[in-house]
Amino acid sequence: RKEVEQDPGPFNVPEGATVAFNCTYSNSASQSFFWYRQDCRKEPKLLMSVYSSGNEDGRFTAQLNRASQYISLLIRDSKLSDSATYLCVVNMFMAGNDYKLSFGAGTTVTVRA
Amino acid sequence: DTGVSQNPRHKITKRGQNVTFRCDPISEHNRLYWYRQTLGQGPEFLTYFQNEAQLEKSRLLSDRFSAERPKGSFSTLEIQRTEQGDSAMYLCASSLEGVITGELFFGEGSRLTVL
Repeated sequence: RKEVEQDPGPFNVPEGATVAFNCTYSNSASQSFFWYRQDCRKEPKLLMSVYSSGNEDGRFTAQLNRASQYISLLIRDSKLSDSATYLCVVNMFMAGNDYKLSFGAGTTVTVRA
Repeated sequence: DTGVSQNPRHKITKRGQNVTFRCDPISEHNRLYWYRQTLGQGPEFLTYFQNEAQLEKSRLLSDRFSAERPKGSFSTLEIQRTEQGDSAMYLCASSLEGVITGELFFGEGSRLTVL
């Protein structure tokens, strides 16, 4: 089983629509969760952290369900500039009492005019 | 620009040749990570350093791969006897703290094509 699994999409939505997608993670000991954004042929960049109580950052809302081990991202009022691949990221325990970030394969969102 | 820089940005090589990539992290960051990304996949962890110490290596990192960070600043990733399966984007990232609470700052990557 992959450490982090995402629906690859693509999600094609019109401007102004709401789009939501999830990811699941395998390690129940994971403590930190993030969504990264990656534009075509660019490096990943942090979009937002995901907190246990859920959190918003403008039009973006992230939710965490520890019991079911899934994370969600919702984008409201989609803009053309939201077109990107969204990477679900979870920290995974490594030997030596440290953590690494494990990335999902990404969910592609395309917002059309 | 004070971000993470990587070079070369692109490298085309023939199978069997050796290649080396360099990463210069953000100067005050003590942690440096190497990831590999292929088309349609997310970045896969390869290895990381805390200062000059290499603390973890993925099983993806065969004995043809070696990484160093000799003075705790820049890092190099060398691939010996390259194979076509090594073709990928090699991403370097740095952080100040561990990844429990910290953000990784990625460079733009070094794209390797093995013919």
